[in-house]
Amino acid sequence: QQQVKQSPQSLIVQKGGISIINCAYENTAFDYFPWYQQFPGKGPALLIAIRPDVSEKKEGRFTISFNKSAKQFSLHIMDSQPGDSATYFCAATGYGNKLVFGAGTILRVKS
Amino acid sequence: GAVVSQHPSRVICKSGTSVKIECRSLDFQATTMFWYRQFPKQSLMLMATSNEGSKATYEQGVEKDKFLINHASLTLSTLTVTSAHPEDSSFYICSARGELGNSGYTFGSGTRLTVV
Repeated sequence: QQQVKQSPQSLIVQKGGISIINCAYENTAFDYFPWYQQFPGKGPALLIAIRPDVSEKKEGRFTISFNKSAKQFSLHIMDSQPGDSATYFCAATGYGNKLVFGAGTILRVKS
Repeated sequence: GAVVSQHPSRVICKSGTSVKIECRSLDFQATTMFWYRQFPKQSLMLMATSNEGSKATYEQGVEKDKFLINHASLTLSTLTVTSAHPEDSSFYICSARGELGNSGYTFGSGTRLTVV
């Protein structure tokens, strides 16, 4: 019940295309859903996060879509750029507890 | 924004020696700090959670006598890998959470430990 399932494992997108990464969770106590971007040899950096009281949040080219009834959330990267090539992790937590991470998605944007 | 500084970024040590990794919150008070281990092409694996002034809570399967965690102040936590062996070689990452609660998870830049 603590798991967060993330897909796909890897993704190749053409420059300018849309990258979509999906996550699903089981624990209905989760109330904070962040996405992290990680470059090789670096720690994860917060990209964007959402709470279950909204269905969508957009920050620049990055959008989170959240479906509370389906217990799913996804990251959309619009106009994907080679600089977006990185590993992306979804995560979830509730009531100030530890973050539960997805397995990660390796994104490669081809120029 | 919140900044977490982690040092060293890379360390090479000999088998049997101990290595200390520091994690500092630079512009906020970290009530809770987390230590993770990450293997290549894998997700972050939580090792332990520490609250300032109290003993760390270790995840199942993590040897608390091997991975010593100290959270002596609201801005500093340390992870000491004792009697390191080659299998301890990994990427270690700390994270700090301040008073913002769920909104305040900030990660350090990680430490690449190589035991030879």
